[in-house]
Amino acid sequence: DQQVKQNSPSLSVQEGRISILNCDYTNSMFDYFLWYKKYPAEGPTFLISISSIKDKNEDGRFTVFLNKSAKHLSLHIVPSQPGDSAVYFCAASGSWAGNNRKLIWGLGTSLAVNP
Amino acid sequence: GAVVSQHPSWVICKSGTSVKIECRSLDFQATTMFWYRQFPKQSLMLMATSNEGSKATYEQGVEKDKFLINHASLTLSTLTVTSAHPEDSSFYICSVFSGREADTQYFGPGTRLTVL
Repeated sequence: DQQVKQNSPSLSVQEGRISILNCDYTNSMFDYFLWYKKYPAEGPTFLISISSIKDKNEDGRFTVFLNKSAKHLSLHIVPSQPGDSAVYFCAASGSWAGNNRKLIWGLGTSLAVNP
Repeated sequence: GAVVSQHPSWVICKSGTSVKIECRSLDFQATTMFWYRQFPKQSLMLMATSNEGSKATYEQGVEKDKFLINHASLTLSTLTVTSAHPEDSSFYICSVFSGREADTQYFGPGTRLTVL
């Protein structure tokens, strides 16, 4: 049962345009959401996070939007750059008993930014 | 953020041997570290949660006797793959939980294990 879903395995955008990566979740106990970027044969790099008490968090070119009622979040990258080409993972966590701060991961979306 | 290192970055070993992978938190003391495994073109799979001074908590389906985890200090956790087999070949990644930014984890660069 995939609690965090990234339904688009891949996305291709033109340099300078906006990249929108989507993530859906099913567990209403999640209260913290994160986006990571990963290059092949490297560990994931933390990009941005958002608490469930917010609906938007912005850091430079990266903005995460959270729609709790729809159980949906998205990562916007604008403007997109060729160096943004990587796999992006959505992850979620919650503080229920026994969760032990684990992150629940989506399957990732491979973003290709074309020059 | 947090700076995390892993050693070795890659290792090749013969079937039946044991391999130890180190994960170090370089700029803060980590009471909790995580070990993940990633198969090609797949997502991250959490193997176990490593807590300093206590036994690791393994995820369902992960053999604790095969993947030995030791978190002996606040800056070092080790994963030992015992009696390695070719199916253990994978990319192993550790992460640390900083405790300063909710549940954000910071990852090491990963270790590529190839078992011949």
